Amino acid sequence: QQQVKQSPQSLIVQKGGISIINCAYENTAFDYFPWYQQFPGKGPALLIAIRPDVSEKKEGRFTISFNKSAKQFSLHIMDSQPGDSATYFCAASRGSGGSNYKLTFGKGTLLTVNP
Amino acid sequence: EPEVTQTPSHQVTQMGQEVILRCVPISNHLYFYWYRQILGQKVEFLVSFYNNEISEKSEIFDDQFSVERPDGSNFTLKIRSTKLEDSAMYFCASSTGGGGGSTDTQYFGPGTRLTVL
Repeated sequence: QQQVKQSPQSLIVQKGGISIINCAYENTAFDYFPWYQQFPGKGPALLIAIRPDVSEKKEGRFTISFNKSAKQFSLHIMDSQPGDSATYFCAASRGSGGSNYKLTFGKGTLLTVNP
Repeated sequence: EPEVTQTPSHQVTQMGQEVILRCVPISNHLYFYWYRQILGQKVEFLVSFYNNEISEKSEIFDDQFSVERPDGSNFTLKIRSTKLEDSAMYFCASSTGGGGGSTDTQYFGPGTRLTVL
């Protein structure tokens, strides 16, 4: 019940295209859904995050779409650039109560944006 | 911009040896975490630490693992007797708060690659 399932495992898009990565979760107690970006040799870095009280959040070229009833959320990268080539992880945690909650990560998606 | 730092970047050890992985969290952060990532797999939670005690630990974090905040800046992960399957990238993370709100972002260090021979 703690799993976060992520797809696809890898994705190749052309420069300027739209990259879409999907995640699904099981635990209805999750209420914080961040996406992390990881470049080779670096630690994961927060890209964008959403809470389930909104269905969409946009920051620049990055948008999270959230479907609470389906327990699914996705990352859309508009106008994908070669510099976006990285591994993307979705994650989930329980965010309320003031206690420190672990992040449960998906398996990651290796995005390659061809010039 | 403040960042989490980790040392060493790569540690090679023999099976059965003890290793200590070191982390310097961001200075005003209060919550500390260790995660690991076996090559090609997802990032997995190991342990969280707040107010000088473990808040939560995963089933991976058995008696061979321990964490400590020996002073006001360092946060360490000790593996007492390493096994081959402990080979992984170990990430330290820290956050201001402990929940999932916008102020509670977990910032990750660059990781320590542990290789157990």
